Amino acid sequence: GQNIDQPTEMTATEGAIVQINCTYQTSGFNGLFWYQQHAGEAPTFLSYNVLDGLEEKGRFSSFLSRSKGYSYLLLKELQMKDSASYLCAVRDEKWSGAGSYQLTFGKGTKLSVIP
Amino acid sequence: DVKVTQSSRYLVKRTGEKVFLECVQDMDHENMFWYRQDPGLGLRLIYFSYDVKMKEKGDIPEGYSVSREKKERFSLILESASTNQTSMYLCASSRGTGGQPQHFGDGTRLSIL
Repeated sequence: GQNIDQPTEMTATEGAIVQINCTYQTSGFNGLFWYQQHAGEAPTFLSYNVLDGLEEKGRFSSFLSRSKGYSYLLLKELQMKDSASYLCAVRDEKWSGAGSYQLTFGKGTKLSVIP
Repeated sequence: DVKVTQSSRYLVKRTGEKVFLECVQDMDHENMFWYRQDPGLGLRLIYFSYDVKMKEKGDIPEGYSVSREKKERFSLILESASTNQTSMYLCASSRGTGGQPQHFGDGTRLSIL
């Protein structure tokens, strides 16, 4: 099984940088996803890491260390619209059929961006 | 763009009713998933399917069943609805290989009275 931990809430100032951490303990690992979810809306995909290191996508970057069971999502130049929940999800090693892998989600980190 | 469509945004049903939640995706994805999302508990997987007529139990399948008769459609069935099944239900789909992300529908907020 998987155990995924993220902070419940964070607050940051518009224009600043914020780092949202995610730690996991798993019996198997096959990749880590970050999703953004605005209140009342569907989660949307932000990033995917399967190898160690940093993946950069515009204002958002995601880092993975498999040996430490650790990832973070870095948001730069924060904007008010970045206020949302950020979900860390780990892809299980077990698969079925044509290669479907289960995702286990953390409980999410609610980020509030203040002026 | 991937489109995952859930049949209802809001639904109110009574205890003991049989409830059907429908999900359709338009990207020919092999995999489809049903989750429920509750405050403080996050997203939890109920069932998933990796092919037509194939299904696998997730972490919390009790009280639910699913049906996938066509590749684009995945239905979640509450056999006899109970108040503890009041929740937000999210459907997702993904390609079957590699690090493909899951794409989510807008969710159905289901209330069981």
